[in-house]
Amino acid sequence: NAGVTQTPKFQVLKTGQSMTLQCAQDMNHEYMSWYRQDPGMGLRLIHYSVGAGITDQGEVPNGYNVSRSTTEDFPLRLLSAAPSQTSVYFCASSYSTGSKWGEQFFGPGTRLTVL
Amino acid sequence: DAKTTQPPSMDCAEGRAANLPCNHSTISGNEYVYWYRQIHSQGPQYIIHGLKNNETNEMASLIITEDRKSSTLILPHATLRDTAVYYCIVSSLTGGGNKLTFGTGTQLKVEL
Repeated sequence: NAGVTQTPKFQVLKTGQSMTLQCAQDMNHEYMSWYRQDPGMGLRLIHYSVGAGITDQGEVPNGYNVSRSTTEDFPLRLLSAAPSQTSVYFCASSYSTGSKWGEQFFGPGTRLTVL
Repeated sequence: DAKTTQPPSMDCAEGRAANLPCNHSTISGNEYVYWYRQIHSQGPQYIIHGLKNNETNEMASLIITEDRKSSTLILPHATLRDTAVYYCIVSSLTGGGNKLTFGTGTQLKVEL
């Protein structure tokens, strides 16, 4: 299993540009989520999904859109990038039920800079 | 979700046990205690979680007090590779998933 993969690893955008951060998992996990981590801070939840076709907002959703058309993929879209969105973005996935539901698997992150 | 309090940093000698404390005095009855760690800006790594009983796995042990207001993560024989930020999180399973709220954690430095 590749686990949770994220692309790209690094990205530089100009203010106002849009882009999509990709996240995929091959563990058949129902639950997927996106976090951002600013320097010296803990991770903050942006959006999450409990299954294909179902998404909801986390703590800091403004400026981001998500969709979940398949179990495997959960892309994060930045609509109009702002310098305040400069951060490291992590995708995570986990089971929703059963004995393994408590363990979330995180991807390696995408380091985004908005100029 | 309940809030947690952790010391900002701790040191540990290699080979010794590392005991990382966490206070979660407002924890609710259906909230679990989770521990994750983050090594040098990599994605966080799950370590262990528990509800009220002590738990042990191949990585660590989790000791939860009887009143559930605090817990301790124990790394029995710390190595240099255990140097990381350790996050204590309390969360419940709601709506099909558990939303983790990360604080700033404890920076554990394991030294020779």
